[in-house]
Amino acid sequence: SQTIHQWPATLVQPVGSPLSLECTVEGTSNPNLYWYRQAAGRGLQLLFYSVGIGQISSEVPQNLSASRPQDRQFILSSKKLLLSDSGFYLCAWSQTLGYGYTFGSGTRLTVV
Amino acid sequence: GQSLEQPSEVTAVEGAIVQINCTYQTSGFYGLSWYQQHDGGAPTFLSYNALDGLEETGRFSSFLSRSDSYGYLLLQELQMKDSASYFCAGTPSGNTPLVFGKGTRLSVIA
Repeated sequence: SQTIHQWPATLVQPVGSPLSLECTVEGTSNPNLYWYRQAAGRGLQLLFYSVGIGQISSEVPQNLSASRPQDRQFILSSKKLLLSDSGFYLCAWSQTLGYGYTFGSGTRLTVV
Repeated sequence: GQSLEQPSEVTAVEGAIVQINCTYQTSGFYGLSWYQQHDGGAPTFLSYNALDGLEETGRFSSFLSRSDSYGYLLLQELQMKDSASYFCAGTPSGNTPLVFGKGTRLSVIA
């Protein structure tokens, strides 16, 4: 069966520090991968998605970036965090772009 | 742009039935999904309507009418554990990701 791992679960980082969140999927090949951000009590904002190694589509211009160095690994990064980067970050995968997303357990990021 | 509208909050009594509506702003969606998210947790997939009509999964049912750009999630025999946020998500035509609604927070009261 397929599983998705996302870490860390919580993170407190100072403003201006770098960020690296990692997500890996097991039990499938060539998944579509996604990074979402959710502010407290709000909806899901799609940040990046990837349909294959090295293929990254950005949905929202910001100081975040994403990379997919391996088929089942998706990384969200920032060189310098802003206060506004605080939120709940969710990784997800699916076999098709339009259906059946499975989300990781999320990373709650607080920038102080 | 593509968007989905759903009520921000709904309150219902334990044991009752509640319907959460979702309307499109565009005819570009050819499927509709529903996700549940408990406070502090990740969204989990509930249902997907690829065709018009009703899909039933236990206490949950989902309906889609593409001609009316409308769908709903029906929860029966409500339980306290059903208190959560529910998101509808449209499958766009063309090879692009799901578009999520802003979510409906369901509170089940005794």
